[in-house]
Amino acid sequence: GEDVEQSLFLSVREGDSSVINCTYTDSSSTYLYWYKQEPGAGLQLLTYIFSNMDMKQDQRLTVLLNKKDKHLSLRIADTQTGDSAIYFCAESGESDSWGKLQFGAGTQVVVTP
Amino acid sequence: DTGVSQNPRHKITKRGQNVTFRCDPISEHNRLYWYRQTLGQGPEFLTYFQNEAQLEKSRLLSDRFSAERPKGSFSTLEIQRTEQGDSAMYLCASSPGELFFGEGSRLTVL
Repeated sequence: GEDVEQSLFLSVREGDSSVINCTYTDSSSTYLYWYKQEPGAGLQLLTYIFSNMDMKQDQRLTVLLNKKDKHLSLRIADTQTGDSAIYFCAESGESDSWGKLQFGAGTQVVVTP
Repeated sequence: DTGVSQNPRHKITKRGQNVTFRCDPISEHNRLYWYRQTLGQGPEFLTYFQNEAQLEKSRLLSDRFSAERPKGSFSTLEIQRTEQGDSAMYLCASSPGELFFGEGSRLTVL
């Protein structure tokens, strides 16, 4: 079946860049997403990329997609303490199932002063 | 507050009891999703509705689980004869396109 994998933990110093990596197995993935989850809060969509794109930039966030290797990354520039959270990579398939997401287990990002 | 609302936020119950969670989506969102998230894992899809029609159910949704969305607005997720393995966060999301998640209902089965 489909699988999405992420590293579990990332520690980064405030002001540095963070890079969170994700691999997926479903070659029919249509959209790939990054969600943020803070303690006690729901999931917040940070950004997404369509599978025919290889890069998307949105302010401090840069998403890179290597479709051949099924590798997705999220770069956060100038990481702040407020960026400490769990980040989930997710993918969805065909257009009629775009809300049915397959999530990774999440990467806990800890930002240290 | 115009976000997705879930109630109760936390439910503690004894094994074998029935529990019901409610989700109020953002108004006019025609799609509503239920996900389950266990500790240290990402959310797993359970089921979704397009208006009042339940269009897909995951294999994770055993016979003890039932979800409804009777008037195409709010939805309920009922778990009968709860088991300790049902302990999880139950997340609801509504969507016109992008998913908007609620804060979840945490179930603890003792």
